[in-house]
Amino acid sequence: EAGVAQSPRYKIIEKRQSVAFWCNPISGHATLYWYQQILGQGPKLLIQFQNNGVVDDSQLPKDRFSAERLKGVDSTLKIQPAKLEDSAVYLCASSLRRGQPQHFGDGTRLSIL
Amino acid sequence: GQQLNQSPQSMFIQEGEDVSMNCTSSSIFNTWLWYKQDPGEGPVLLIALYKAGELTSNGRLTAQFGITRKDSFLNISASIPSDVGIYFCAGRIIQGAQKLVFGQGTRLTINP
Repeated sequence: EAGVAQSPRYKIIEKRQSVAFWCNPISGHATLYWYQQILGQGPKLLIQFQNNGVVDDSQLPKDRFSAERLKGVDSTLKIQPAKLEDSAVYLCASSLRRGQPQHFGDGTRLSIL
Repeated sequence: GQQLNQSPQSMFIQEGEDVSMNCTSSSIFNTWLWYKQDPGEGPVLLIALYKAGELTSNGRLTAQFGITRKDSFLNISASIPSDVGIYFCAGRIIQGAQKLVFGQGTRLTINP
């Protein structure tokens, strides 16, 4: 089966600009996750969707980050405006349903100048 | 919030040696997962543990879910060059969204 697809692979922007990432989960997976992975650290959950509804967004900086999964399939994560500390790899993962093992995409590496 | 303490942070070993790493927490988890991440790629699931005391193997990898549900360890036997990478433990919180909390990772380097 095809894995979790993410694009772009790399993005370089200046601070205060906006950026968007896209994720297409494994077919049939109801639960989708966005993680932020800062260099040298483990992934940190930003937001979790169950179909098109948000299950957990407690660690999402809502003043600048937003995410949607309108049709319950693919998802976008947006940062506006970006700050220097947002430099990280943004990983998308999906699972068949909540509580099942998560499968990760290869991430988008974001650099803020 | 929940935190996982993963150790060691890094390991430098000779090819053929066995490897052991562990994760501990002050919180109880109902699932422990071990992932491996290669440069430029996402984490790949190695082993999933669902019951306290469970011991599970996947080839040369063996992992155990601690009896207290607050810890887990991963062993790799007879290491080979392709074992190089960063290993992450992750614990699943019992309540609510059942989200995963990740450790800081153990970076494994192997000298041939």
